[in-house]
Amino acid sequence: EDKVVQSPLSLVVHEGDTVTLNCSYEVTNFRSLLWYKQEKKAPTFLFMLTSSGIEKKSGRLSSILDKKELFSILNITATQTGDSAVYLCAVEADYKLSFGAGTTVTVRA
Amino acid sequence: DTAVSQTPKYLVTQMGNDKSIKCEQNLGHDTMYWYKQDSKKFLKIMFSYNNKELIINETVPNRFSPKSPDKAHLNLHINSLELGDSAVYFCASSLRQGDGEKLFFGSGTQLSVL
Repeated sequence: EDKVVQSPLSLVVHEGDTVTLNCSYEVTNFRSLLWYKQEKKAPTFLFMLTSSGIEKKSGRLSSILDKKELFSILNITATQTGDSAVYLCAVEADYKLSFGAGTTVTVRA
Repeated sequence: DTAVSQTPKYLVTQMGNDKSIKCEQNLGHDTMYWYKQDSKKFLKIMFSYNNKELIINETVPNRFSPKSPDKAHLNLHINSLELGDSAVYFCASSLRQGDGEKLFFGSGTQLSVL
């Protein structure tokens, strides 16, 4: 069965800190890895990664994939209270997206 | 001009009842999904339809029956509701971009079974 493991499960930081979220996976027929941010309602798309070593950036967020070691990291620099959310990692394999349990990030002012 | 819309947003019902959740997407996507998110925020796929055809059916009790009248709609009917069905149900549709499938989610239906 496909497995997606995120760590840590939760963390609390102060505004301005940098956070690093981890996602490791064991799947057959890997196609892509995606990161989503979930605040109160629907998960919203952040990044899709398909190739190793190519960093994707969007503002203060960045992510990279290592297909040899089977993991990805999501970095958030200069955190703000609006970054407080659950961050979900998902891996697509065999046309199915499997999600990890998420990392709850709380940013305190 | 909501992309993926599902109704109702909240559903409170008694055990044993039958209920439906509706989903519509106006993105022109071919694939639609139902996901269940439990209290620990774990999102698990239930069903996937591509152009009205069922392509993924995870181990979901047969009390759950999806129906796709056309590729823009995917409804979920649940018979004989049980306490354990309480969760947030998300509809999604997807667009294949290169090697990856990017999902767009509806805002969820919070189902509470009493």
